[in-house]
Order: sequence, then structure tokens, then C-alpha cells
Amino acid sequence: DTAVSQTPKYLVTQMGNDKSIKCEQNLGHDTMYWYKQDSKKFLKIMFSYNNKELIINETVPNRFSPKSPDKAHLNLHINSLELGDSAVYFCASSPDRGTYNEQFFGPGTRLTVL
Amino acid sequence: QQPVQSPQAVILREGEDAVINCSSSKALYSVHWYRQKHGEAPVFLMILLKGGEQKGHEKISASFNEKKQQSSLYLTASQLSYSGTYFCGTRTTGKLIFGQGTTLQVKP
Repeated sequence: DTAVSQTPKYLVTQMGNDKSIKCEQNLGHDTMYWYKQDSKKFLKIMFSYNNKELIINETVPNRFSPKSPDKAHLNLHINSLELGDSAVYFCASSPDRGTYNEQFFGPGTRLTVL
Repeated sequence: QQPVQSPQAVILREGEDAVINCSSSKALYSVHWYRQKHGEAPVFLMILLKGGEQKGHEKISASFNEKKQQSSLYLTASQLSYSGTYFCGTRTTGKLIFGQGTTLQVKP
């Protein structure tokens, strides 16, 4: 009965590889997000989708490409992985884009690039 | 622009109180508070809106001073389960910008 789920939980890979992280929410929410949390715990938004439409696209290298096949799913594909991509990536969802909405976070995917 | 939290870290004994502050250099319309336990996801605590409206867990209290562009989270009679990193977030252009976090450790 997990509200927001992510796979995989851990990802260890070599520099230069391409990898994907998947996210699914069963809350019926319209809006989904990707956040990156670095080793200093700084939590920064990367992307946001509302009903499959990209609405927030922060200054993120274009090696990162989100895709939302439907409003319950938001995937993150990363090309040519670099050491600096090592972080915990969190998916989150909220009912809609409104200010008064709490965000529900997934368990996170810890990415380690060697 | 990222809100600034203070203090950076707090160590308490069970039963003691703590206040975590969040300030912004820009006008605030809402402040969001989350707690993240070690190795876990951030969890929603409270939203405070300009004008006084609030939404959140009953046992959590917070204030929002629009003029000073500040918010404070009050943790009273702390329990071991309060340990974690607390983040405030401010909304701008539709996105939530989080502060650097305040680490709270509650000891028996």
C-alpha cells in the first residue's frame, strides 16, 4: 500500500553509464516531482510534472531527462553518469500545483557513481 | 533564493523544548515544514500561509511572521522520535525551495 514508490532503492554504477529511476504514486495526485539530495543534505528540486506536462525544469544538465507516461508515473533517465551525480534522488507527489498542498515523498534512490 | 535556517544543529534531552527558525530575504507567502529521519524520506509537518491559515499535524506548532519574513517551528516536550533533520521550504514560481536543514538530536 505504498503511496509513492521508487525503484531501485540503490544504484551503483560506473562513470559514463546510462541509468533510469522509476517512480509510481497510487494517491491519484496530478503533480509529481524529482528532487536531488546531496551529501550535505541539500534538497533541491529538479523537475515537476502536472498531468504529464513538464512545468518545472530547473538548471539541470540535459543528461537528465524526465518522462511521465501517465500522471501516476514519473521516470528519470540519466545519460553519461558523472561522479557528481552521486546523491539520493527523491520522487514526490502532491494533489495538484497549489500552494496549500503537502508533498508526499518516495523512499529515495541512492545513486553511487564510481 | 534559499531560505536560511537556524540553528544548524540542536542537541536536547527528552522533555526539553526547541525552536527552529527559517528566514527569507524575499517576501513569503507560505512556509512548509518537513522532517527527515536518517535514511528516510522527508515527511510533511506543516504549511503556514500568509494571512494565518495553517495545515498540519496537531502536535506540531509553528508561527509565521510575514513582516519579518520568518517562520519558527516549536518542538515542545521533545521525544526521542523527534530526532531528525528539519527543513523549511518557501514557494516561489510554483516550486518549493528548501533551507539547508536543522539537525535535531534528542537524547534519553
